[in-house]
Amino acid sequence: QVQLVQPGSEVKKPGSSVKVSCKASGGSFSTSDFSWVRQAPGQGLEWIGGITPTFIVPMYAQKFQGRLTVTADESTATVSMELRSLRSDDTAVYYCARGDGNYAPFDFWGQGTQVIVSS
Amino acid sequence: EILMTQSPATLSVSPGERVTLSCRASLSVDSNLAWYQQTPGQAPRLLIYDASTRATDIPERFSGSGSGTEFTLTISSLQSEDFAVFYCQQYNDWPRTFGQGTKVEV
Repeated sequence: QVQLVQPGSEVKKPGSSVKVSCKASGGSFSTSDFSWVRQAPGQGLEWIGGITPTFIVPMYAQKFQGRLTVTADESTATVSMELRSLRSDDTAVYYCARGDGNYAPFDFWGQGTQVIVSS
Repeated sequence: EILMTQSPATLSVSPGERVTLSCRASLSVDSNLAWYQQTPGQAPRLLIYDASTRATDIPERFSGSGSGTEFTLTISSLQSEDFAVFYCQQYNDWPRTFGQGTKVEV
């Protein structure tokens, strides 16, 4: 059984950066595909970026290109996402989700990290 | 980017009813289509993948069909715990994209 553990919450000022981690246990880390999905208050799910099996190439939604970095550390089985130049509309719950290889659905999800951007 | 469109936005139903939710992709996604269920305050849960395969421990009342651009999620007899928001998502191409969700309410 795969478990994805994320921190509970972060509060940040506009213009700053946030880095959220996702520690995986169970399953095969190196052959998994990890994505970050966010959900603004009262809104739907938005895929923002991910990293493919073997962690060679991160992929980003176009609107986050240049502002988002997704990395994976196989030695600690941890995936991270860093979002820079935060704005109030980045306030959302950020979920880590795993796919079992390429062309795979998200079969396991973290519990989510609440990121609040406020002055 | 592949646009996923769900309909209806909201469905008002009674327990025991049969429910059908639709999802349309702007380009073919073959059968690389998943359905998720989300209840308030919880992470999404995978229900259906590869358009029609139930995920582990998902009850038989949930079924999926379709391929290419048109997909359907059916709940044969709605239970009280099924009231939630349902999302479709394609994993055929990057970026991965979700539909806007269908809320199933009493």
